[in-house]
Amino acid sequence: ETGVTQTPRHLVMGMTNKKSLKCEQHLGHNAMYWYKQSAKKPLELMFVYNFKEQTENNSVPSRFSPECPNSSHLFLHLHTLQPEDSALYLCASSPHPRDREDEQYFGPGTRLTVT
Amino acid sequence: AQKITQTQPGMFVQEKEAVTLDCTYDTSDPSYGLFWYKQPSSGEMIFLIYQGSYDQQNATEGRYSLNFQKARKSANLVISASQLGDSAMYFCAMRDHPGGSEKLVFGKGTKLTVNP
Repeated sequence: ETGVTQTPRHLVMGMTNKKSLKCEQHLGHNAMYWYKQSAKKPLELMFVYNFKEQTENNSVPSRFSPECPNSSHLFLHLHTLQPEDSALYLCASSPHPRDREDEQYFGPGTRLTVT
Repeated sequence: AQKITQTQPGMFVQEKEAVTLDCTYDTSDPSYGLFWYKQPSSGEMIFLIYQGSYDQQNATEGRYSLNFQKARKSANLVISASQLGDSAMYFCAMRDHPGGSEKLVFGKGTKLTVNP
């Protein structure tokens, strides 16, 4: 596999469920990101990991819990979500997050529906 | 205040014609980078083109070019010879911060439809 992969591609969960989103990058990048894309809103940065260390938490509710066991894998653990959390969750990676021209490579996203 | 403004929610263009997608930005940082991404209906964000604030020339990548007007703080994307496969959402984004930043700030996007 190449690039950035995300699983599952689609997820439907109830508000009391616990689930996890997985992201894997095969590009040898140092940084990984979680974004949320809701309908008719700009892409929102949620978390940033640089060399496995969390460097950004953009005021995300605690019902979203990220985990980065190594620089190639990133998880987003979900529990007691709300219907307004339904969105497309995109994972991205980049080689040099401190460089101005650093380009982020995105995965295909997980379409999450909370019922 | 919005850092990235895309004023065109939707645009239509005939196949083989050129189209310009608008983007204006707001920053006080003299060093910044501007990006355009394409998002087809499949969901994946695809990087198209990059322009640095100190770059002397407008960026070009194949059929994509960036009309960078620094004084106006605009970075419009020009797609030449449109193809049906160009139909997608297009997002303008910016990275700024004197000390470097891991944040890309995105605009709300423009939906481009290419008609046959």
